[in-house]
Amino acid sequence: KAGVTQTPRYLIKTRGQQVTLSCSPISGHRSVSWYQQTPGQGLQFLFEYFSETQRNKGNFPGRFSGRQFSNSRSEMNVSTLELGDSALYLCASSLAMSTNEKLFFGSGTQLSVL
Amino acid sequence: GEDVEQSLFLSVREGDSSVINCTYTDSSSTYLYWYKQEPGAGLQLLTYIFSNMDMKQDQRLTVLLNKKDKHLSLRIADTQTGDSAIYFCAEFSIYNQGGKLIFGQGTELSVKP
Repeated sequence: KAGVTQTPRYLIKTRGQQVTLSCSPISGHRSVSWYQQTPGQGLQFLFEYFSETQRNKGNFPGRFSGRQFSNSRSEMNVSTLELGDSALYLCASSLAMSTNEKLFFGSGTQLSVL
Repeated sequence: GEDVEQSLFLSVREGDSSVINCTYTDSSSTYLYWYKQEPGAGLQLLTYIFSNMDMKQDQRLTVLLNKKDKHLSLRIADTQTGDSAIYFCAEFSIYNQGGKLIFGQGTELSVKP
């Protein structure tokens, strides 16, 4: 069974641009979560999608958005990029993100904002 | 509030045991997890424990949970150089019919030959 796939692996953007990151969950998994990892803030929860609906959102500005498609693939978008958005963005999948599940992570997309 | 704390660094000799500690605050947490992250990689799920358990063993890994003190530890027996990585503990926080993981800052384990 293929794992969680994130594309692209690396991205370099400049301030003010926007970016779209993609995540394909493990086959059969319907929940996709996104996390931002930075040296200063560590791992922070961005949002979680289940069956094309955003169920939970972390404490991030509205520039961060996402969506999930009917095949459970998910995208996240960051508009008007700022230097502080430079981070490793990790996607995780689980069956339904209930209390007794394992969460599997992809390798991440490393975003650098210049 | 939700908070997970870990010590930042641990250095051991190859062949010794490593013990990584973690404290958490959410008393409603049902599952607690340990993840491993190698340089330039994502998070690898190592093991997890349900909150009504005291201990779980999985090959070289032993997880101990003291629910009263909200203290979690990961013991790695016979630590190898390949175990050098950052280890994160995380608690599952129930939220709006789903949930999220609250992570500690990560403990960087350095294994010296």
